Amino acid sequence: SAVISQKPSRDICQRGTSLTIQCQVDSQVTMMFWYRQQPGQSLTLIATANQGSEATYESGFVIDKFPISRPNLTFSTLTVSNMSPEDSSIYLCSVEYGGLRAGELFFGEGSRLTVL
Amino acid sequence: GENVEQHPSTLSVQEGDSAVIKCTYSDSASNYFPWYKQELGKRPQLIIDIRSNVGEKKDQRIAVTLNKTAKHFSLHITETQPEDSAVYFCAAILNYGQNFVFGPGTRLSVLP
Repeated sequence: SAVISQKPSRDICQRGTSLTIQCQVDSQVTMMFWYRQQPGQSLTLIATANQGSEATYESGFVIDKFPISRPNLTFSTLTVSNMSPEDSSIYLCSVEYGGLRAGELFFGEGSRLTVL
Repeated sequence: GENVEQHPSTLSVQEGDSAVIKCTYSDSASNYFPWYKQELGKRPQLIIDIRSNVGEKKDQRIAVTLNKTAKHFSLHITETQPEDSAVYFCAAILNYGQNFVFGPGTRLSVLP
């Protein structure tokens, strides 16, 4: 399975500030995603991080609020901009392999953000 | 789009008993159905999956069954142990690279 490193693992942020989360994978992957998991809730896809082009956002998520970069096949960042307490969540990077393992999602450990 | 429902939301069983979690999905074209286990404070991890050309799959104490006609699939855990206590999420996916739609989760507690 993939080794997916996320940082920071947790942070406490002030309202109105922005924070960038980094995701590093130990091997090249085609598909990288960013999920949000609000306290006690399920996993919601924020966007698909596309290498070399703009991310594809799901309904309810916009680039101005959650800008995403993916400069290569092993690295991506998610920025949570102009944070408010409602952004307090766990943010998870995930990857999906193709071929025989198509459909299997592997997750990073997550970044737990608390916005005061 | 796809919608996945999951029941029950919480489940408590005695150690050694069986646990069953059921999910229904709306898009008949979905063809891949994984189950993820998330222990407290940890990442979700794939524990078993089934593809639409298979009706049942088993891996030691866990099994998944799929009924495509009724559009539902279930996770079965036999001989439950305290370490099975976690939140379990089902998901449905249409094609590789497309959005996984996760169910709302089931919190399983195995009582010693």
